[in-house]
Amino acid sequence: AQKVTQAQTEISVVEKEDVTLDCVYETRDTTYYLFWYKQPPSGELVFLIRRNSFDEQNEISGRYSWNFQKSTSSFNFTITASQVVDSAVYFCALSLNSGYSTLTFGKGTMLLVSP
Amino acid sequence: DAGVIQSPRHEVTEMGQEVTLRCKPISGHNSLFWYRQTMMRGLELLIYFNNNVPIDDSGMPEDRFSAKMPNASFSTLKIQPSEPRDSAVYFCASSPGGVFWTEAFFGQGTRLTVV
Repeated sequence: AQKVTQAQTEISVVEKEDVTLDCVYETRDTTYYLFWYKQPPSGELVFLIRRNSFDEQNEISGRYSWNFQKSTSSFNFTITASQVVDSAVYFCALSLNSGYSTLTFGKGTMLLVSP
Repeated sequence: DAGVIQSPRHEVTEMGQEVTLRCKPISGHNSLFWYRQTMMRGLELLIYFNNNVPIDDSGMPEDRFSAKMPNASFSTLKIQPSEPRDSAVYFCASSPGGVFWTEAFFGQGTRLTVV
């Protein structure tokens, strides 16, 4: 069975600080997908990124970047120059590459960015 | 596309009453998921349908919960009788499914309160 651990329950930063959200996963499969979702105060779940297990290249999208390291089973998410609008709960998730796979979520990290 | 549509957005009901949550997946998606979100347990998968067939219902808490997908464009999650511990946000999500995962698209959720 697979498992996703987000050890940080809540993080508070001041605007413009950089912040890294940690994600550690467990699976015996060699092929899988990792995801990050954002849940703002309005409650919906917003897809941020998908990464497959064969692609360890880091990815940058604006102020967001992701660091995938298979050696440590981690898929960390960094927000550079955080803004108040980044305040949300962020979920890391894992899916296996099989026909009937589902998303397994971590417990989430609540990020509070204050002005 | 309108995205995944869930109704109602909010539901308050008395203990013992029957509750029905509804979901319309994105057209063309053949996988549908029901998730429940609580503070204590985070996001838990309740049931997964593929091509309208329940594939994995191991997350359904007990016999009080039932889910159906009579056709590709509609699914229901029913709780009968409801209990206060069922209070949670229930999300429906759909995905193109198949072997190659893209991402699951989530509805805005139904916030259920059982008093």
